[in-house]
Amino acid sequence: AQKVTQAQTEISVVEKEDVTLDCVYETRDTTYYLFWYKQPPSGELVFLIRRNSFDEQNEISGRYSWNFQKSTSSFNFTITASQVVDSAVYFCALSEARQGAQKLVFGQGTRLTINP
Amino acid sequence: EAQVTQNPRYLITVTGKKLTVTCSQNMNHEYMSWYRQDPGLGLRQIYYSMNVEVTDKGDVPEGYKVSRKEKRNFPLILESPSPNQTSLYFCASSFLLGGFATEAFFGQGTRLTVV
Repeated sequence: AQKVTQAQTEISVVEKEDVTLDCVYETRDTTYYLFWYKQPPSGELVFLIRRNSFDEQNEISGRYSWNFQKSTSSFNFTITASQVVDSAVYFCALSEARQGAQKLVFGQGTRLTINP
Repeated sequence: EAQVTQNPRYLITVTGKKLTVTCSQNMNHEYMSWYRQDPGLGLRQIYYSMNVEVTDKGDVPEGYKVSRKEKRNFPLILESPSPNQTSLYFCASSFLLGGFATEAFFGQGTRLTVV
């Protein structure tokens, strides 16, 4: 079963538009962590945010904001006033512990293109 | 500088010729893992290790081996590579926080082509 689903394969917007990347996760655990990563065209993976399952406060960092809702098992990422440099593939990930094993599962990624 | 170092960055090899991709981290992280990235499939975990001599299978372990003899190193071994193992590979390391892997630091990636 897919643990992390990023239904939007590709999104294309014009610069300065706001854009939201969706992430829906599946877990039976009450304790888990969620992450977002950015992969720019250069290929490296850049950590953006970590959120634990007990902290449902939304977070804002500059033009980036994250909306965590346990009721809908979603952890969405919004970029406000998008810029060309935001063009990248974005991955949502889930960290859960099960029977002593610790797994980090990624979604398929959303390719975001910001057009000038 | 805190980093995860993978080598080589690029590798072209032939079917059946054993190869090793090295991974080393200098952050004293307990947790290390290998992923492969394929178009449309995101990153899939191959193997992970929670500490020295403790390794376990991820979601796509077939055709791969790993070892964790030292905390800093976590090599990925392909005993008999096949073309379906052509992919972009990432090594990552994390601290464990209350038994959970925290944010992962990734290596630069290894692009492997098996012909």
